[in-house]
Amino acid sequence: EAGVTQSPTHLIKTRGQQATLRCSPISGHTSVYWYQQALGLGLQFLLWYDEGEERNRGNFPPRFSGRQFPNYSSELNVNALELEDSALYLCASSLAGQGNIQYFGAGTRLSVL
Amino acid sequence: DAKTTQPTSMDCAEGRAANLPCNHSTISGNEYVYWYRQIHSQGPQYIIHGLKNNETNEMASLIITEDRKSSTLILPHATLRDTAVYYCIVRFGNEKLTFGTGTRLTIIP
Repeated sequence: EAGVTQSPTHLIKTRGQQATLRCSPISGHTSVYWYQQALGLGLQFLLWYDEGEERNRGNFPPRFSGRQFPNYSSELNVNALELEDSALYLCASSLAGQGNIQYFGAGTRLSVL
Repeated sequence: DAKTTQPTSMDCAEGRAANLPCNHSTISGNEYVYWYRQIHSQGPQYIIHGLKNNETNEMASLIITEDRKSSTLILPHATLRDTAVYYCIVRFGNEKLTFGTGTRLTIIP
């Protein structure tokens, strides 16, 4: 069974540009979560999607947004990139109602120059 | 979510049991204890969870004290691949996970 897959693995952008990160959950999982992990820092919760709806978001500015598609895959968009957005972005998925057991992808490393 | 306290770092010899403690003295009756680990530059990995009974799976054992104010994750025969940051999370809801700073476990050859 395939795990959570994220693309691209690495992404290099310049300040002010937009970045789009993609995530495919484990088959059967309807919830998708996004986290940011800046270098040397802990994981910070970004967004939670379930059944196509945004259920919760962390303390991040509105230029961080996303969506979940009918096939439960998800996209994270970061507009007006800033240098401090450089981080590992992790996607996780879970079965409905079992959000405490999340399965993570390998992440997308975003570098903003 | 109840606050958790873990040692910043620990070492363990390869082949020995690694015992990682976690204090959660403010845990409430319906909160579970979850353990995750993050190997360098990878996404976190779920290990095990429990409510009040001891639990064991193919990866580890979880021992929860009778008063539920602390727990210990046990890796029975640590290997070099177990070197990682281990996170103890206490919660009831099923939304976002809140990761603290965890314990950096280093397995020594």
